[in-house]
Amino acid sequence: DGGITQSPKYLFRKEGQNVTLSCEQNLNHDAMYWYRQDPGQGLRLIYYSQIVNDFQKGDIAEGYSVSREKKESFPLTVTSAQKNPTAFYLCASSIEMTGSPLHFGNGTRLTVT
Amino acid sequence: GDSVTQMEGPVTLSEEAFLTINCTYTATGYPSLFWYVQYPGEGLQLLLKATKADDKGSNKGFEATYRKETTSFHLEKGSVQVSDSAVYFCALRGNTPLVFGKGTRLSVIA
Repeated sequence: DGGITQSPKYLFRKEGQNVTLSCEQNLNHDAMYWYRQDPGQGLRLIYYSQIVNDFQKGDIAEGYSVSREKKESFPLTVTSAQKNPTAFYLCASSIEMTGSPLHFGNGTRLTVT
Repeated sequence: GDSVTQMEGPVTLSEEAFLTINCTYTATGYPSLFWYVQYPGEGLQLLLKATKADDKGSNKGFEATYRKETTSFHLEKGSVQVSDSAVYFCALRGNTPLVFGKGTRLSVIA
């Protein structure tokens, strides 16, 4: 079955360490996205990518970085510069940028202490 | 910029009650509108969508109609079940990535 795989489901890190969240899709979708979810704040867009080797900042990109070297993969690095990194992170993909719905992974819950 | 406003929760209903979750939007042009559902500990799943004015999206007994005149896309279900307990997100897509409302938590009690 096609889908989006995020790993790991739970991740724990010490403050000051960078951490990379994995996102892989086998849906052959061009566009991929990273959202952050916090209680009571809905989903906020971190980064998105329309095609390989290209990506754009979303609303809350500070303290995060991404790469898109392969169509299937869109890893997110949470750097030590992110002031409040503990959150639920969701990766998504879509056929293209406008109009088509997003397909989501099951998320990674990151806890930084 | 584009934005979505949905009613705040939590919403608690008895089984078989009627559900309405209000959603209004602000956007330029003619966005597509969506409702997503999130069960505990999971990602979001597409529930239904509508791509133009007066379209009605429906799935699993849920319905929503794209109302351009009132810029609304309210979610309704005639008879909720305990299994409908989840968080519901209204969203729109114009020329930018998906914009979400803050979500409405629904709890259905037997």
